[in-house]
Amino acid sequence: NAGVTQTPKFRVLKTGQSMTLLCAQDMNHEYMYWYRQDPGMGLRLIHYSVGEGTTAKGEVPDGYNVSRLKKQNFLLGLESAAPSQTSVYFCASTRTSGPYEQYFGPGTRLTVT
Amino acid sequence: AQSVSQHNHHVILSEAASLELGCNYSYGGTVNLFWYVQYPGQHLQLLLKYFSGDPLVKGIKGFEAEFIKSKFSFNLRKPSVQWSDTAEYFCAVSSSFYNQGGKLIFGQGTELSVKP
Repeated sequence: NAGVTQTPKFRVLKTGQSMTLLCAQDMNHEYMYWYRQDPGMGLRLIHYSVGEGTTAKGEVPDGYNVSRLKKQNFLLGLESAAPSQTSVYFCASTRTSGPYEQYFGPGTRLTVT
Repeated sequence: AQSVSQHNHHVILSEAASLELGCNYSYGGTVNLFWYVQYPGQHLQLLLKYFSGDPLVKGIKGFEAEFIKSKFSFNLRKPSVQWSDTAEYFCAVSSSFYNQGGKLIFGQGTELSVKP
């Protein structure tokens, strides 16, 4: 039981490049989330999904897109990376019944130059 | 607006000292409350959670937290810290209603440094 896994662990992009971050969970959770973590700002929700085929915007969605084609996977895309998107990205998942304890992946450290 | 505020950004303690980290939230309705810990270079792990019942909850590694509804607070405590408690601590809140998607709102985090 791997829990929540993220690919890749590290990535360096040039401004304007695109990339996709993959999150996978093997706990049969319905809900999945993408957060970014920046110093002094805690974690902020980018997008989330309450089930296969559904997505919704979080607190800081601009510049990101997501897709949930399979229940176990949640993809985060950057179409045209900007230096402001340099951050650590965490994926999380939880089941549909409360209290919604979220399980986190190991994170992806992204640097945009 | 919904928000979570952690009072201290950086706390430095000596081993065996007592710890209390403050957390206040602003959230309409019934809430679930969490404390997560992030050890250096690692992902977030759940320390403890409150969703109903006894407002004093106990978590892993000797941590506990008290939910005071009238003060909108959920402070984290530990009687005697160890060097291995050096980490960043995050308070978080979510709505307990099923149709809110279980979204978490995090505080800014408190970095705890414990000197041996």
